[in-house]
Amino acid sequence: EAQVTQNPRYLITVTGKKLTVTCSQNMNHEYMSWYRQDPGLGLRQIYYSMNVEVTDKGDVPEGYKVSRKEKRNFPLILESPSPNQTSLYFCASSFKTSGTGELFFGEGSRLTVL
Amino acid sequence: GENVEQHPSTLSVQEGDSAVIKCTYSDSASNYFPWYKQELGKRPQLIIDIRSNVGEKKDQRIAVTLNKTAKHFSLHITETQPEDSAVYFCAAADTGFQKLVFGTGTRLLVSP
Repeated sequence: EAQVTQNPRYLITVTGKKLTVTCSQNMNHEYMSWYRQDPGLGLRQIYYSMNVEVTDKGDVPEGYKVSRKEKRNFPLILESPSPNQTSLYFCASSFKTSGTGELFFGEGSRLTVL
Repeated sequence: GENVEQHPSTLSVQEGDSAVIKCTYSDSASNYFPWYKQELGKRPQLIIDIRSNVGEKKDQRIAVTLNKTAKHFSLHITETQPEDSAVYFCAAADTGFQKLVFGTGTRLLVSP
């Protein structure tokens, strides 16, 4: 089954404790992206990647890191989480390298930073 | 960069009525406009999209219209059903920048 898998789905952590949210897709997609969803703000792009070893900042990259060492994986790293990073996070992938084809989203990861 | 505004933020209709959600964008270079539906507790999913060389596109009960001159596009849902209740997001992208910018979402509630 074609899918985008995120882990963990739910996480409660404390300020400053490094964490990684994993994302994996099995559709051989070139393009992958991370979004955060907050009430009233919609979906805001954090980082995106057009191919292996190619990443770029989205609209809200501060406090986040990503890597794309393999085509299928695109982990999101919070080196020192803060309460303002409490949010619902979605990973997405697309066949089109421009990101202007259909985006396939993961199920989301709800992160709470205390 | 691109900025997408979406209205209304909430929309309540009776089953069988039509619903219209409107979006405006700022970057005249944007040429791709998708709409995503997010049911409660679920992931967003693409329901329809339109490219700038087309003025209107239909798929059964949903349609999207694009006015490039005014830089706005709209989602039209006819004969609404309770299962249409969800949050709808519009988005715009400039293929040259490989970025998709989303609107803030519209919560549609269809009452039986």
